[in-house]
Amino acid sequence: SQQGEEDPQALSIQEGENATMNCSYKTSINNLQWYRQNSGRGLVHLILIRSNEREKHSGRLRVTLDTSKKSSSLLITASRAADTASYFCASPQGGSEKLVFGKGTKLTVNP
Amino acid sequence: GAVVSQHPSWVICKSGTSVKIECRSLDFQATTMFWYRQFPKQSLMLMATSNEGSKATYEQGVEKDKFLINHASLTLSTLTVTSAHPEDSSFYICSANFPAGGTYEQYFGPGTRLTVT
Repeated sequence: SQQGEEDPQALSIQEGENATMNCSYKTSINNLQWYRQNSGRGLVHLILIRSNEREKHSGRLRVTLDTSKKSSSLLITASRAADTASYFCASPQGGSEKLVFGKGTKLTVNP
Repeated sequence: GAVVSQHPSWVICKSGTSVKIECRSLDFQATTMFWYRQFPKQSLMLMATSNEGSKATYEQGVEKDKFLINHASLTLSTLTVTSAHPEDSSFYICSANFPAGGTYEQYFGPGTRLTVT
């Protein structure tokens, strides 16, 4: 089954710097979604990018999708300490509504 | 919009007892909800898909008699952990599908931390 794999597994940066996280997947997808999870909390939906889209922006977030390489990236610009969280990519499995999650990237933004 | 709630947020129970966790879509109707389990520092593991008005679909390796799912209405799904044991201690998260332009976005509840003593 397809699975998103994020890299790096952990990322530590200073406030104000940009953070880039990557996600690779194995099979064709209709869309790919990025989520944030603060420690011990539920997931927050950040952005959905469709397979016919190459780039999408939302505030300080920029997501790209390269279907030829089966990869996506999430860029957080001008990071803040509050951005400290784990970030997951996920995509629907086959033709179903089920999402398959990657292992996540743990981002730490140091003040 | 697209808010999902879970109740309780945490629960401690004794071995052998059953625990019910509720998942509600507050401002939209969800024909499909999902239940996940998450171990510390790990990703989410899908347990089952909850379908309103029909039986849940369980993922391979998940005991359906252990984890009872009932999707009684378009805004409520419940997960009951029966005869809980310490190894059932985990973080349980539900989500609901929200239609978004021909596809779905999943919105998650805040999670329920279950500790079985």
